[in-house]
Amino acid sequence: SQKIEQNSEALNIQEGKTATLTCNYTNYSPAYLQWYRQDPGRGPVFLLLIRENEKEKRKERLKVTFDTTLKQSLFHITASQPADSATYLCAPVFSGGYNKLIFGAGTRLAVHP
Amino acid sequence: DAGVIQSPRHEVTEMGQEVTLRCKPISGHDYLFWYRQTMMRGLELLIYFNNNVPIDDSGMPEDRFSAKMPNASFSTLKIQPSEPRDSAVYFCASSASGGARETQYFGPGTRLLVL
Repeated sequence: SQKIEQNSEALNIQEGKTATLTCNYTNYSPAYLQWYRQDPGRGPVFLLLIRENEKEKRKERLKVTFDTTLKQSLFHITASQPADSATYLCAPVFSGGYNKLIFGAGTRLAVHP
Repeated sequence: DAGVIQSPRHEVTEMGQEVTLRCKPISGHDYLFWYRQTMMRGLELLIYFNNNVPIDDSGMPEDRFSAKMPNASFSTLKIQPSEPRDSAVYFCASSASGGARETQYFGPGTRLLVL
């Protein structure tokens, strides 16, 4: 069955540093991968989508990479701020999966001033 | 745009009672999803609809759970009878189409506690 692994431990970093979150998947080959942010007590919010034929995608301070050989996506936040503190979820998507997202457990990021 | 609306935001009930969760998707969205989130299992897809028709209910845990979408602007998730292990946050989400590139928009969730 499909399996998605994200850093189970919380990631604590200093403000201004780059945060790097990992998403590994096994037993399938997604055509797309989405990243969401979730704040306590709220629903997930879409951040970025990357296609399998894209190595990298950027949006402001966010960068996502997608390595289909390693079956891994990395999510980077540069110049991190305390407001970036949240849980980040990855969700690989089949091309024929009719947007049926399977979410990883998420990684909690804490950015300290 | 008000976004996805869910009600109630919090529900506390006793084991054996019927629970009904409600969702109003974003106007014009053709897909509606119900998720459940717990610390142990994370965010799980329960069922999704396309144009009010259930497409995949393989995530519905058991017969105690049922979902309906009588029209494009309303869906319900019902648990009858409820059990303590059903305690979780239930999210409704909608998307404009079913393509893998489509963003899903989540509601604020319903926090359910079954005593």
